[in-house]
Amino acid sequence: QLQLQESGSGLVKPSQTLSLTCAVSGGSINSGAYSWSWIRQPPGKGLEWIGYISYIGSPDYNPSLKSRVTISVDTSKNQFSLNLRSVTAADTAVYFCARLAGDYDKGDYFDYWGQGTLVTVSS
Amino acid sequence: DIQMTQSPSSLSASVGDRVTITCRASQSITSYLNWYQQKPGKAPKLLIYAASSLQSGVPSRFSGSGSGTDFTLTITNLQPEDFATYYCQQSYSSLRTFGPGTKVDIK
Repeated sequence: QLQLQESGSGLVKPSQTLSLTCAVSGGSINSGAYSWSWIRQPPGKGLEWIGYISYIGSPDYNPSLKSRVTISVDTSKNQFSLNLRSVTAADTAVYFCARLAGDYDKGDYFDYWGQGTLVTVSS
Repeated sequence: DIQMTQSPSSLSASVGDRVTITCRASQSITSYLNWYQQKPGKAPKLLIYAASSLQSGVPSRFSGSGSGTDFTLTITNLQPEDFATYYCQQSYSSLRTFGPGTKVDIK
């Protein structure tokens, strides 16, 4: 059974960089059939897609965050990471990592999710 | 951006009820529409992908329909574990977007 687990700092100061890692177990991140995503959810609000990366390292980002986001993959450790720069209180959210599966016929979908980790931006 | 809307934003229902949630896209997304269930403090769970395909392990009382701009999630014979928030999500655009959610609670 595939499992994803987020880790990283739960408290980040304004203007600093939020860094999270998602460890993948029960399967290889090297599979060309999947991409690996980050999604966030501010407290009491809805879901926002941040971006994704394929195992070969081709990322795609939400344009609203693109100037501040980097998603990278480390196949040797079977994990991928999120860096979000110049954070403000508006970046306070639960951050989820997820696997993006699918194909051209059916579109893609997030089929496995991590449990989520709350990141608070505060001085 | 493709905007997703859902109606209603919340509803109250009883165990055994049939519940219908609607999702509308701001432009045609063909059948590239997914549904998720989220319980408090938990990650979303994929229920339906490609508008009407049931994810493995999801009970058959969940079903999805629609294409183009209008989609429906139906839960027949509502069970206690189904009280949750439901989100639709489009994958037609490279910018994946979610609906605002529909909260289903106990009447």
